[in-house]
Amino acid sequence: AQRVTQPEKLLSVFKGAPVELKCNYSYSGSPELFWYVQYSRQRLQLLLRHISRESIKGFTADLNKGETSFHLKKPFAQEEDSAMYYCASQGGSEKLVFGKGTKLTVNP
Amino acid sequence: EPEVTQTPSHQVTQMGQEVILRCVPISNHLYFYWYRQILGQKVEFLVSFYNNEISEKSEIFDDQFSVERPDGSNFTLKIRSTKLEDSAMYFCASSATRSPGNEQFFGPGTRLTVL
Repeated sequence: AQRVTQPEKLLSVFKGAPVELKCNYSYSGSPELFWYVQYSRQRLQLLLRHISRESIKGFTADLNKGETSFHLKKPFAQEEDSAMYYCASQGGSEKLVFGKGTKLTVNP
Repeated sequence: EPEVTQTPSHQVTQMGQEVILRCVPISNHLYFYWYRQILGQKVEFLVSFYNNEISEKSEIFDDQFSVERPDGSNFTLKIRSTKLEDSAMYFCASSATRSPGNEQFFGPGTRLTVL
């Protein structure tokens, strides 16, 4: 069965500091991996996905198959990055399997 | 930009009552999903739907749950006899494709409270 683990429930950094949100997955095959973000009082929205290999709002995520990780990184956090971040995997079907989420707070 | 919409935003019901949660997916999307999030827990997949049929359902999606696309725009989730543990945020999502890595667009959610 697929599983996604986000070990940090809360993460707090100062503006301008680097930020890394951790995500580990378990799946017997090669899943597709995503980061979804939910800003305050807004809907879940896709931030980035491994298949696109893109950088959105300065965020990147690298798939490490050896460590089965897909950590989200940004070199210089901004206050507007404060949000709930969810890692998700998709393997063998359309369904998304989500982690519990990490609440990121960027302090001024 | 087109968005998935959901109504109502909050539904309060008594245990044992039937509820219908409504969703309007993005108009040219063909693949539809329901997820739920119990407070403090993960977002969990319930069901996927395509071409008027369920494509996949989770263990949560038992006989008390059903989905329907009653017309060309709405996609509904019905819970026949609600239980206290059905209290959760229910999210509808839609997608244009089912290819690996497809983006699913989420609605704002309906908060269901079962008393």
